[in-house]
Amino acid sequence: ETGVTQTPRHLVMGMTNKKSLKCEQHLGHNAMYWYKQSAKKPLELMFVYNFKEQTENNSVPSRFSPECPNSSHLFLHLHTLQPEDSALYLCASSQEQYYGYTFGSGTRLTVV
Amino acid sequence: DQQVKQNSPSLSVQEGRISILNCDYTNSMFDYFLWYKKYPAEGPTFLISISSIKDKNEDGRFTVFLNKSAKHLSLHIVPSQPGDSAVYFCAANGGATNKLIFGTGTLLAVQP
Repeated sequence: ETGVTQTPRHLVMGMTNKKSLKCEQHLGHNAMYWYKQSAKKPLELMFVYNFKEQTENNSVPSRFSPECPNSSHLFLHLHTLQPEDSALYLCASSQEQYYGYTFGSGTRLTVV
Repeated sequence: DQQVKQNSPSLSVQEGRISILNCDYTNSMFDYFLWYKKYPAEGPTFLISISSIKDKNEDGRFTVFLNKSAKHLSLHIVPSQPGDSAVYFCAANGGATNKLIFGTGTLLAVQP
C-alpha cells in the first residue's frame, strides 16, 4: 500500500473513553504531522515529528497524546475528550519538514 | 490572528467559465505559497505552488498569481469543470519557523 493511510476512517467515542488514531506512511518520509480540521476554521497544526522526534506541539491540550515509534507510524491517543473536539483529524507526511505534504484521508471523530 | 485568510467560504461557477479563488496573507516573511484541493472524505491534495520570487505559475488549467505588495494570491481555473468542485485551501510558509499555515478554505461548486 502506498501513500498515507489513516485508521479508523470514522470514530464515535464517549467523553470517558480512551481511543487511538493511527497513521502509516509508506513514502519514506521523515516528517509526520497531525492536523485538526473543524468547520469554518483553518487546518490547525497540532503536532510535528521529524525523524521520530517531536519538534512542534502547538499548545494542544494534554487529552491529546501523540506517539511516533518510528518514521513510518504516528498515533494520536485520545482520552476524556470534549464534544468540541469533534472534527476531522488529518495526518500528513513529508520528506522535509514543512515541504511537500502528502495527506491521509483523515479520521472523522465525533465525541458524544 | 489568522495569517492566511480566504474570505469567500463558497463560490459557484458555470462549467466552462473561469473560477477565481482568492487568498490574503499578513506575514511578509512568507516566501512560498500553495493551493490544496480537498474532496469530501479525502485528505487535501497538492495542486499548485508559487515562490515569492515569481508572480505567476501556470499548470494546465490552473494558474496562481501572486501580488506581494498587496499580500494577495489567487488561483484561476479555466475552463472550470464539474470535477473541480471541491474545497480549495490556500497555504503559506516561510519566516523563522517555516510552519505551513492554512486558510479556512473555499468551497467551489462548478455547475454543469
